[in-house]
Amino acid sequence: DAGVIQSPRHEVTEMGQEVTLRCKPISGHNSLFWYRQTMMRGLELLIYFNNNVPIDDSGMPEDRFSAKMPNASFSTLKIQPSEPRDSAVYFCASSLTGNEAFFGQGTRLTVV
Amino acid sequence: QKEVEQDPGPLSVPEGAIVSLNCTYSNSAFQYFMWYRQYSRKGPELLMYTYSSGNKEDGRFTAQVDKSSKYISLFIRDSQPSDSATYLCAMTGTNAGKSTFGDGTTLTVKP
Repeated sequence: DAGVIQSPRHEVTEMGQEVTLRCKPISGHNSLFWYRQTMMRGLELLIYFNNNVPIDDSGMPEDRFSAKMPNASFSTLKIQPSEPRDSAVYFCASSLTGNEAFFGQGTRLTVV
Repeated sequence: QKEVEQDPGPLSVPEGAIVSLNCTYSNSAFQYFMWYRQYSRKGPELLMYTYSSGNKEDGRFTAQVDKSSKYISLFIRDSQPSDSATYLCAMTGTNAGKSTFGDGTTLTVKP
């Protein structure tokens, strides 16, 4: 298996623009997570899906953030409009049990 | 106070040393304990996954959980320069999917 695949790897965008991050989880995993990592705040869970259904989105910082999982092999995290403080590395991870997680390589987002 | 405390280091050891990395936690509901290794500009990589108290060994790595003390450890034997990375502990309770991560310990193994 190729592991969790994220795209793009790097994204530079201007403030106010819409940003869409994409994720393909490991086949057969029924849990999917979106995390954000910054030096100041470490690794933060944004949202957790189980069987394509959002279970916990309490980590989503504000309404500018939205996530979807239309099927078991694809998820998106959208930021609209983006702000400089959204600059971070965004990780997607998947899991079979919901505990141990397998992470993608991340998307490094810079909002200028 | 954070639910999971982890000394950020940095920790620097000579090649071949035994490394001990630790986390303490306050939530007694945590049952699943994970250690991840993260190289610079890469995603976290699962190293060890244990349930409840006890030890688990995998090659040069040993994970230890002491639930009575709310303390977990990761030992690395015969450390190598390739072990230089940030090590993150994580734990999950009854809410599968809601792992709480430590802030990570940065380890450097010098040749």
